[in-house]
Amino acid sequence: DQQVKQNSPSLSVQEGRISILNCDYTNSMFDYFLWYKKYPAEGPTFLISISSIKDKNEDGRFTVFLNKSAKHLSLHIVPSQPGDSAVYFCAARNNAGGTSYGKLTFGQGTILTVHP
Amino acid sequence: DGGITQSPKYLFRKEGQNVTLSCEQNLNHDAMYWYRQDPGQGLRLIYYSQIVNDFQKGDIAEGYSVSREKKESFPLTVTSAQKNPTAFYLCASSIGTGIIYTFGSGTRLTVV
Repeated sequence: DQQVKQNSPSLSVQEGRISILNCDYTNSMFDYFLWYKKYPAEGPTFLISISSIKDKNEDGRFTVFLNKSAKHLSLHIVPSQPGDSAVYFCAARNNAGGTSYGKLTFGQGTILTVHP
Repeated sequence: DGGITQSPKYLFRKEGQNVTLSCEQNLNHDAMYWYRQDPGQGLRLIYYSQIVNDFQKGDIAEGYSVSREKKESFPLTVTSAQKNPTAFYLCASSIGTGIIYTFGSGTRLTVV
């Protein structure tokens, strides 16, 4: 059962334009959502997060939007740069308590390619 | 510098052999995690540990085993019972039940 889904395996954009990466989830017990960025042969690095009590969080060129009613979040990168080319993973934390607390569930990832 | 070290970077194993992947952190993080990455499937949780001498199964624990005898170390053993062990393995840690993970650079295991 895939509780966090990234339905677009890849996205290609032109340098300077906006990149929009999408993520859908099914578990209403998720209380935090995160985006991680991963380069080939490296571990993912944390990019930005959002609490379930907010609908927007911004950090420089990166903005994450959360639509709880639709169980959907998105990452906007404006303007996109060639160095942003990487795999982006959406992740969610389960607030169910017990031994599940703190565990992150990841989506499949979206490969972003930014062309010069 | 603080961080997570995974070794080796590349590992080859013959079918039927057990192999142990190392993960060491000097961040003083309480929680540690093992994930597996396969093409098109993202990161799937194998095992996690929130405290020394305690660990929990993740979503795909079958064929794997772990130990957490020290706070800094969380080795993963891929046993011969794991039917499809060829994958990229990632270790991560976090402060308590913190949501921001620090990942290692991974170990690519290939069964030959």
